[in-house]
Amino acid sequence: DAGVIQSPRHEVTEMGQEVTLRCKPISGHNSLFWYRQTMMRGLELLIYFNNNVPIDDSGMPEDRFSAKMPNASFSTLKIQPSEPRDSAVYFCASSFQGQGFYEQYFGPGTRLTVT
Amino acid sequence: AQSVTQLGSHVSVSEGALVLLRCNYSSSVPPYLFWYVQYPNQGLQLLLKYTSAATLVKGINGFEAEFKKSETSFHLTKPSAHMSDAAEYFCAVSESGGSTLGRLYFGRGTQLTVWP
Repeated sequence: DAGVIQSPRHEVTEMGQEVTLRCKPISGHNSLFWYRQTMMRGLELLIYFNNNVPIDDSGMPEDRFSAKMPNASFSTLKIQPSEPRDSAVYFCASSFQGQGFYEQYFGPGTRLTVT
Repeated sequence: AQSVTQLGSHVSVSEGALVLLRCNYSSSVPPYLFWYVQYPNQGLQLLLKYTSAATLVKGINGFEAEFKKSETSFHLTKPSAHMSDAAEYFCAVSESGGSTLGRLYFGRGTQLTVWP
């Protein structure tokens, strides 16, 4: 089975540019999570979806960040305009919320560098 | 909200020595608990999980963790460290009910270094 797929794996962009990160969750999973990891702040939850509906976006740092999940197999995280402080590794994770214990499966991450 | 505390951001052991990584959580109800491992330039990988079936949980790569409700702890151990265990380890707790069901709360992580 394919795991969580993220693209691109690496992104280098200039300040002010729009950045779009993509995620394909594991087939059959109904929850999706976007995280950001930096040395300073560790692993932060940005937003999560359940059945394609955003449940909690309180971790989204600013209005420059937005996330969508148009269907069960695809999600995007967009930063517009990007700033150097957005440089981080962004992870997508998915899980199945049902009669289970909600372990999350992580993608390989997108390393974003904003110059 | 839940919180997780990992004591010691860095732990160093010699190859063959006991590995002990500490995790304490705050929860008013029995939670679900997890340990994840992150190797350099990779995503987090599930190591083991506690789901209330047994207090001693065995995971991959020889790791195990014991749930102690009285101490609100879920420490990770391995009897004999291997060089390949060098990585960052994250403890996480999940709500077992409520509106935030399924959300994981992560500790800050512990970097494990294994010396030859």
